[in-house]
Amino acid sequence: GESVGLHLPTLSVQEGDNSIINCAYSNSASDYFIWYKQESGKGPQFIIDIRSNMDKRQGQRVTVLLNKTVKHLSLQIAATQPGDSAVYFCAETENDYKLSFGAGTTVTVRA
Amino acid sequence: GAGVSQSPRYKVAKRGQDVALRCDPISGHVSLFWYQQALGQGPEFLTYFQNEAQLDKSGLPSDRFFAERPEGSVSTLKIQRTQQEDSAVYLCASSAGTGLSGELFFGEGSRLTVL
Repeated sequence: GESVGLHLPTLSVQEGDNSIINCAYSNSASDYFIWYKQESGKGPQFIIDIRSNMDKRQGQRVTVLLNKTVKHLSLQIAATQPGDSAVYFCAETENDYKLSFGAGTTVTVRA
Repeated sequence: GAGVSQSPRYKVAKRGQDVALRCDPISGHVSLFWYQQALGQGPEFLTYFQNEAQLDKSGLPSDRFFAERPEGSVSTLKIQRTQQEDSAVYLCASSAGTGLSGELFFGEGSRLTVL
C-alpha cells in the first residue's frame, strides 16, 4: 500500500545550526501535509502544515517545502535549539481526516 | 486541564484480558480520533468520530477492538481478549471542527503492555 516515509531515521545537529528533515510520500492523491514533533512520553504536537496548492510555508523558525513532482516534503528548522530535540513525523491525508504518518526522524541537538 | 486527557496512562494486562482506555477531549471539540503507535513507529489511524457518530473505523485491527463516544464527548476504546501484538501506545486526539479543519490536539497516550 502507499505510505509516507522518511529518508533518514536520525539526525544530529549542532546547536545554532539549521536542520533539514526530509520526507517522501507515495500517495499522489494526498493534498494536505502536516509536520509533528513528538517528545518522549508525549503525544505529537503540531508544528506546521501545507496544502498541495502551495510549495512553501513559513512559521516561526520553521519552513515546510513541498515538491509534488517528486512527492517530497521537507521541514527546515532555523537556529536549532536543545528544545528541538525530539522525533519528527510528517503526515499526509487525501480526505482531510485520516492521517498517515511516516516512521519518524529522531533529531538530537548537540550543545 | 485544557488539553486532551487520557487514562490510564499505563496499563499492564495479561493476555486474554479485556481493557478499556478513556479519552476526554478538549471541551466542545467536534472531532475525535484514536491512533495506535507501536514502539519506534509513527501513529496509525484507528477510528474517527464526529460528535457521537463513528464515521470511519477502518483502522481498527480486528473485531476485538471497539470504540464509542455515546454523548459526543468522552470516548472509550475497548480491546477484548488482548494479545501481545496489541502492546502499543494508544493516542487520542481532538479538533474543534470537522476532520482536520482545525488543529489536531493529541493527548499523552495510554501505554498498553500485554504480557
